[in-house]
Amino acid sequence: DTAVSQTPKYLVTQMGNDKSIKCEQNLGHDTMYWYKQDSKKFLKIMFSYNNKELIINETVPNRFSPKSPDKAHLNLHINSLELGDSAVYFCASSQIAGGVGNEQFFGPGTRLTVL
Amino acid sequence: AQSVAQPEDQVNVAEGNPLTVKCTYSVSGNPYLFWYVQYPNRGLQFLLKYITGDNLVKGSYGFEAEFNKSQTSFHLKKPSALVSDSALYFCAVRETGGYNKLIFGAGTRLAVHP
Repeated sequence: DTAVSQTPKYLVTQMGNDKSIKCEQNLGHDTMYWYKQDSKKFLKIMFSYNNKELIINETVPNRFSPKSPDKAHLNLHINSLELGDSAVYFCASSQIAGGVGNEQFFGPGTRLTVL
Repeated sequence: AQSVAQPEDQVNVAEGNPLTVKCTYSVSGNPYLFWYVQYPNRGLQFLLKYITGDNLVKGSYGFEAEFNKSQTSFHLKKPSALVSDSALYFCAVRETGGYNKLIFGAGTRLAVHP
């Protein structure tokens, strides 16, 4: 069973379009994250939700909107896509309650290409 | 502000030789440190972490890391490298606070040659 899954794996789209990436975790964790990995492999957190509540909101254009319908799902919607949005987007999850320093588990990534 | 530095873009090692991938950190308070590995076209896989206790931490695939508080370092090591260890390695530190936010280093590409 895949612990953290993302769909789609690849996404190719035109500038100006709106797209969504979905993430699901079956680990029972209470916290989920979205990361962006750029072409130089630099990894930076974008958002985090804990039990459906937004707890981390980095400096990200407001064209990016996360949504967490329940604690097992965290979706990322991107409006008006730009060339600079091309990257690999990773979803991750971890358990915060009941422990400190728990590691995050990452999904396989979604490679977004904006043409 | 918390930060992580991985001073080497790439490390080249011959198979069978020991390897070290360097990481230094800057954090207020007690550091929670992590190593992750990323194989091509894959997500990050957790290798090991230091939270407290023994300075030598053992992890997956024969990797270990040594926490050195005085040098603010957390270098990743393996006694005998395998070609299959070739990948991108990330060091990360948990930001002080309750939200488990990780700050990642820029990554070090490990190339193990036969």
